[in-house]
Amino acid sequence: EPEVTQTPSHQVTQMGQEVILRCVPISNHLYFYWYRQILGQKVEFLVSFYNNEISEKSEIFDDQFSVERPDGSNFTLKIRSTKLEDSAMYFCASSESLGGYGYTFGSGTRLTVV
Amino acid sequence: AQKVTQAQTEISVVEKEDVTLDCVYETRDTTYYLFWYKQPPSGELVFLIRRNSFDEQNEISGRYSWNFQKSTSSFNFTITASQVVDSAVYFCALRRTGANSKLTFGKGITLSVRP
Repeated sequence: EPEVTQTPSHQVTQMGQEVILRCVPISNHLYFYWYRQILGQKVEFLVSFYNNEISEKSEIFDDQFSVERPDGSNFTLKIRSTKLEDSAMYFCASSESLGGYGYTFGSGTRLTVV
Repeated sequence: AQKVTQAQTEISVVEKEDVTLDCVYETRDTTYYLFWYKQPPSGELVFLIRRNSFDEQNEISGRYSWNFQKSTSSFNFTITASQVVDSAVYFCALRRTGANSKLTFGKGITLSVRP
């Protein structure tokens, strides 16, 4: 079964450093998403992306965050200057074009900011 | 605005007991999707079910069953004869129809199944 692949599974970074979280969505999906889950809390929407531009973003997705689809397969989330409160699990997801019925999550990247 | 409420935060049962996880949602949309995900200790989100708003038939899959009641905006999940491997956090989520729409999650219910 097709899956969304995220790398790395765990990343530790120092406060103030830039991090890039990588995702390979399902190949025929056209809509891409990032979600965040702070430890012990609910999963929160960050951003959706279609046709090489952001479709929707939440209030969490401030100027420190950016997304990019640098080639035909990868979808990245960049955090420019990490803060302690960015420590969380980040999930990538992709969905099909037709009716949006399918929605698949990756296994997540656990980001720890120290 | 869309909202999902999972009023139960933690549930503890003994193996083989049945357990029901509650989910109540709010939306102004006439058509939408409802989901349940399981998050085991390893952290990934495991898809369990997706339900269209126009399909109110209850569904059973092995020990799992779902009761969708549009009249009360509820989408409850029952595990029959629970097992230790069912221990996890369970999230209910809501999504508009359409190809490019976000999931709105509830806060999750931590289920502990004791041997």
